[in-house]
Amino acid sequence: EAQVTQNPRYLITVTGKKLTVTCSQNMNHEYMSWYRQDPGLGLRQIYYSMNVEVTDKGDVPEGYKVSRKEKRNFPLILESPSPNQTSLYFCASRPGGRIVETQYFGPGTRLLVL
Amino acid sequence: QKEVEQDPGPLSVPEGAIVSLNCTYSNSAFQYFMWYRQYSRKGPELLMYTYSSGNKEDGRFTAQVDKSSKYISLFIRDSQPSDSATYLCAMNPGGNKLVFGAGTILRVKS
Repeated sequence: EAQVTQNPRYLITVTGKKLTVTCSQNMNHEYMSWYRQDPGLGLRQIYYSMNVEVTDKGDVPEGYKVSRKEKRNFPLILESPSPNQTSLYFCASRPGGRIVETQYFGPGTRLLVL
Repeated sequence: QKEVEQDPGPLSVPEGAIVSLNCTYSNSAFQYFMWYRQYSRKGPELLMYTYSSGNKEDGRFTAQVDKSSKYISLFIRDSQPSDSATYLCAMNPGGNKLVFGAGTILRVKS
């Protein structure tokens, strides 16, 4: 089954404790992206990657890191989480063509930073 | 001011009604206009997209873009309870960036 998986689905952590949210896709997609979704603000792009070893900032990259060492994986790293990073996070992937190619979203990771 | 404005709702309609969902935007560089549907506790899924102005129809769904007014709409005919979800508009100014609206919650009552 074609899918994007994220782990963990739910996470409660404390300020400053480094964490990683994993994302994996089995569709051989070139493009992968991370979004955060907050009430009243919609989805905002954090980082995206056009292919292995190629990443770029989205609209809200501060406080986040990413890496793309393998085509299927695109982990999101919070080196020192803060309460304002409490949010619902989505990973997405699509073929590397036009922006309107169907983007497949993962199920989401709900993060609470205390 | 946000680049994309979308009324959060909730919008509550009876089954069979015609639903109109709308977004306004301020960036005249937007080229592609998309609508995503997001069910509770799920990721968004692409419903349809349009390029530039005009209408596009897909089954019960019609997307409409009026670039002169910077206004886009999604119409749902013969709405069903299974259409209950959050609908997000998204726009692309070129390149790989997508700007999303905040989403409108739709509830279709049987």
